[in-house]
Amino acid sequence: QKEVEQNSGPLSVPEGAIASLNCTYSDRGSQSFFWYRQYSGKSPELIMSIYSNGDKEDGRFTAQLNKASQYVSLLIRDSQPSDSATYLCAVARDNEKLTFGTGTRLTIIP
Amino acid sequence: KAGVTQTPRYLIKTRGQQVTLSCSPISGHRSVSWYQQTPGQGLQFLFEYFSETQRNKGNFPGRFSGRQFSNSRSEMNVSTLELGDSALYLCASSLDKGTGTGELFFGEGSRLTVL
Repeated sequence: QKEVEQNSGPLSVPEGAIASLNCTYSDRGSQSFFWYRQYSGKSPELIMSIYSNGDKEDGRFTAQLNKASQYVSLLIRDSQPSDSATYLCAVARDNEKLTFGTGTRLTIIP
Repeated sequence: KAGVTQTPRYLIKTRGQQVTLSCSPISGHRSVSWYQQTPGQGLQFLFEYFSETQRNKGNFPGRFSGRQFSNSRSEMNVSTLELGDSALYLCASSLDKGTGTGELFFGEGSRLTVL
């Protein structure tokens, strides 16, 4: 079992719709959870961090964390073509390495 | 505020050679992590340095090594290069307030091709 699992996609979503990205992790001791966006040929860029159960909203992005189910998700509202990228879920215990999933490729269809 | 700077951006080496990559973190960031990214394996953790000490280490052979200097700048070295070492090597820095794993900010990466 991989430490951090994501559906590799590609996930295609019409422009203006909600894109839903999911991630599960195996280490119950994980404390920190992050979503990164990576455009083709570019380096990963942090878009959301979440540390407590529940929802965290930042603009069009909402991160959801459920530690009991070991599940993290990212919702992107009003999806735009510029949101087309690979989204990486990352998880860590305190002061330990950040482990990344292999990413979900998202395509927003105009 | 300047971001994470990695040099060189691109390099080509032959099998058996060694390579040194450099990373300058964001000013004030004390933690530097290195990752290898390949299409098949995704982002794989190499090591993390904090205050000149290696704090965490990934599952890479001893040919991969690194260090951090007193100004938080970091270098990683790969000796006896193999074809499979061809990858994008990413450096990331973190403020690390000591309250948990901090948010990582990545440089543009060093793309290594081994022929």
